[in-house]
Amino acid sequence: SQQGEEDPQALSIQEGENATMNCSYKTSINNLQWYRQNSGRGLVHLILIRSNEREKHSGRLRVTLDTSKKSSSLLITASRAADTASYFCATDLAGNQFYFGTGTSLTVIP
Amino acid sequence: EPEVTQTPSHQVTQMGQEVILRCVPISNHLYFYWYRQILGQKVEFLVSFYNNEISEKSEIFDDQFSVERPDGSNFTLKIRSTKLEDSAMYFCASSEALMGETQYFGPGTRLLVL
Repeated sequence: SQQGEEDPQALSIQEGENATMNCSYKTSINNLQWYRQNSGRGLVHLILIRSNEREKHSGRLRVTLDTSKKSSSLLITASRAADTASYFCATDLAGNQFYFGTGTSLTVIP
Repeated sequence: EPEVTQTPSHQVTQMGQEVILRCVPISNHLYFYWYRQILGQKVEFLVSFYNNEISEKSEIFDDQFSVERPDGSNFTLKIRSTKLEDSAMYFCASSEALMGETQYFGPGTRLLVL
């Protein structure tokens, strides 16, 4: 099935360190998006990267996309305790149905 | 900043009852979606809606589900006869355009079916 799968499943780092999460998917996509979800809350859109883009930045976020490897990474630099959340990648095919991965649970220790 | 809103935030219902979950998408958006997330599991696509009709639906979206845009602002998800396994967080989302544009999510409605 067309699903993003993130790894690691859980990541615990010290405040100030960088956090890297990876997402792999199975078939060709139009774009890939990263979302954040705080426990029991809604999904917050972080960044969208299109299939013809290789890297994108937004503040402390850096996303890469390697379509040959069908993978993407999300880097959060200089992490803060407030970055503690679950992070999901979502991929789409030809339509507008998004497939979400299982997520990476990030804990940033103050 | 415009945002998607959902009501209620929590709903408890008895098995077999009908529930209606409500969403107000961002005002200039044309595409609307419902997703659900069973506790501890992935966010799953249910349905997308454009121009007053369903454009895509998943296998989860069976005959007990329906969606409607009853007026210019609301977008609703109705579950006709709830089952225990319908207990989940239901998210509404909207986007300006179709092909892979950013979908903005509401805060969700937590549905508990007893």
